[in-house]
Amino acid sequence: AQTVTQSQPEMSVQEAETVTLSCTYDTSESDYYLFWYKQPPSRQMILVIRQEAYKQQNATENRFSVNFQKAAKSFSLKISDSQLGDAAMYFCAPNFGNEKLTFGTGTRLTIIP
Amino acid sequence: DTGVSQDPRHKITKRGQNVTFRCDPISEHNRLYWYRQTLGQGPEFLTYFQNEAQLEKSRLLSDRFSAERPKGSFSTLEIQRTEQGDSAMYLCASSAIRGSDQETQYFGPGTRLLVL
Repeated sequence: AQTVTQSQPEMSVQEAETVTLSCTYDTSESDYYLFWYKQPPSRQMILVIRQEAYKQQNATENRFSVNFQKAAKSFSLKISDSQLGDAAMYFCAPNFGNEKLTFGTGTRLTIIP
Repeated sequence: DTGVSQDPRHKITKRGQNVTFRCDPISEHNRLYWYRQTLGQGPEFLTYFQNEAQLEKSRLLSDRFSAERPKGSFSTLEIQRTEQGDSAMYLCASSAIRGSDQETQYFGPGTRLLVL
């Protein structure tokens, strides 16, 4: 079975500091895509960042970057210079080559002013 | 490009009634997906289309649920004889199958269903 684990139900960080959200998964596939999505309260799911499993280079998008460890099946998200607008539920969601996304249970991120 | 749109945004219905939701994907996207999200959980896959063909249905999709994408553009999700357990957010997403953005799913705002 393909599973996704987000072991941190809640995280908090001081504004302007850095925080890392963890995600591990299990799959027997070798070619797949990994995504982080953000869902602010009562708002829609927004793509944060994407990573192709065949790429060794970690993806970055402005203040957001990932640490992808394929052998360890780990895909963590680092948010630098945290801002109040980063407060949201964050979901790790791989596509294991079967077209659909498999979501983790999410991490609720709180930004402390 | 206006993104993925869904209608209605909210629906309240009585148990036993039928409801239908609509999703309009990003115009050039071939694939369209439906997910269901209950409170405090991550979304769960229901079904997806490539153009007008429905290629996969989750076991979560009981016989009371049906989805269509008749012309490969918008899609509808119908729930017949609604039950209180159907109360959830129904999310639609779309993606392209080619290009630098392939396999990236973009989500609509969702339809929140409450069954009384």
